[in-house]
Amino acid sequence: AQSVTQPDIHITVSEGASLELRCNYSYGATPYLFWYVQSPGQGLQLLLKYFSGDTLVQGIKGFEAEFKRSQSSFNLRKPSVHWSDAAEYFCAVGAKGNQGGKLIFGQGTELSVKP
Amino acid sequence: DAGVTQSPTHLIKTRGQHVTLRCSPISGHKSVSWYQQVLGQGPQFIFQYYEKEERGRGNFPDRFSARQFPNYSSELNVNALLLGDSALYLCASSSSKNTEAFFGQGTRLTVV
Repeated sequence: AQSVTQPDIHITVSEGASLELRCNYSYGATPYLFWYVQSPGQGLQLLLKYFSGDTLVQGIKGFEAEFKRSQSSFNLRKPSVHWSDAAEYFCAVGAKGNQGGKLIFGQGTELSVKP
Repeated sequence: DAGVTQSPTHLIKTRGQHVTLRCSPISGHKSVSWYQQVLGQGPQFIFQYYEKEERGRGNFPDRFSARQFPNYSSELNVNALLLGDSALYLCASSSSKNTEAFFGQGTRLTVV
């Protein structure tokens, strides 16, 4: 079955500390992987994506993610968290040729930032 | 350029009623997808339309239907509303194969 698992429902980090959000996927085809961020009551904003090539991808707002095929993981990292990063983060997987649709999302990780 | 726009932003309906949600994709985008996001969960795929043809349907009952118009805008229709249909409905558009989806701000539907 195709699925995305985000093991951590809620994470709290101190401002300035490093962050890693975990994402594991199960997908039959070659996966296209995404991280989105959602502020309360808002839509989803794309942070970064992996289609192919370099397995370490850079995104907006200082985020990066590493694709590890052997571990079926696509973890999101940031070296120094800012208070404005507090939000819900979703990992998603899709397939080549789906014209950006039919994404499968994880249940999300809520990030809180302590001053 | 305008992003994906959805209307209305908020909606309250009574059980058993029908609702129509609307989505305008980013100019030039031909693919529109709909997702349902229940509070505390990730979005779930409902439909995808590409070039006005249905390209995929998620695990939702037949009460849910959608269509895409010649200008690539889209409507999501839900009949016989249930309390469990209360959710944020998200529309996403993308330009062609192998690209990312851009999401609108969503329509918050409350069924009472």
